[in-house]
Amino acid sequence: DTEVTQTPKHLVMGMTNKKSLKCEQHMGHRAMYWYKQKAKKPPELMFVYSYEKLSINESVPSRFSPECPNSSLLNLHLHALQPEDSALYLCASSQAGSGNQPQHFGDGTRLSIL
Amino acid sequence: TQLLEQSPQFLSIQEGENLTVYCNSSSVFSSLQWYRQEPGEGPVLLVTVVTGGEVKKLKRLTFQFGDARKDSSLHITAAQPGDTGLYLCAGAGGVDTGRRALTFGSGTRLQVQP
Repeated sequence: DTEVTQTPKHLVMGMTNKKSLKCEQHMGHRAMYWYKQKAKKPPELMFVYSYEKLSINESVPSRFSPECPNSSLLNLHLHALQPEDSALYLCASSQAGSGNQPQHFGDGTRLSIL
Repeated sequence: TQLLEQSPQFLSIQEGENLTVYCNSSSVFSSLQWYRQEPGEGPVLLVTVVTGGEVKKLKRLTFQFGDARKDSSLHITAAQPGDTGLYLCAGAGGVDTGRRALTFGSGTRLQVQP
């Protein structure tokens, strides 16, 4: 069982909907990450939070809005997504540092945009 | 431009065969991590190599970090169907990129036939 929990596991939404992806970890990690993964491709980094502050935004479109309410939770708010945004969205956490720390991944949310 | 190139991209072998996966870069990394991702799950950390020339063994898997810390290899002896998955290398602390997050390789999809 993964120590990083993501909900929901699957999400189907229309292009005008607003939804949120949630991620939770209780390992005391102070760095949390969002990745997007297309089929048969490696994960692509979207956002990094360090000590609950956004430290890296990889030029992600504003229709994706991250939020870190506390050290255990990470959300990704979705609005007006496009069909090409359909993918597996992975959350990860690690000890805070210079980005060298091993990451613990959740099993992802598989998102489909109609 | 992919900073970390893995080869081969896809490998289908019979149970009991040996194989090697390569991870190459023109950048120097402070450490390199290997992950395995099975269908429907997030990546799981296998090993971290830190010192140039370091060799680590995990049962039938042998990991090596290049002397110059620009490349790594994963060798699997007597592959089993349970080894099937997507193998990802990830460079940490890119010395000349200044990147403060992991850089994932392009991935190697391994299929072991019983």
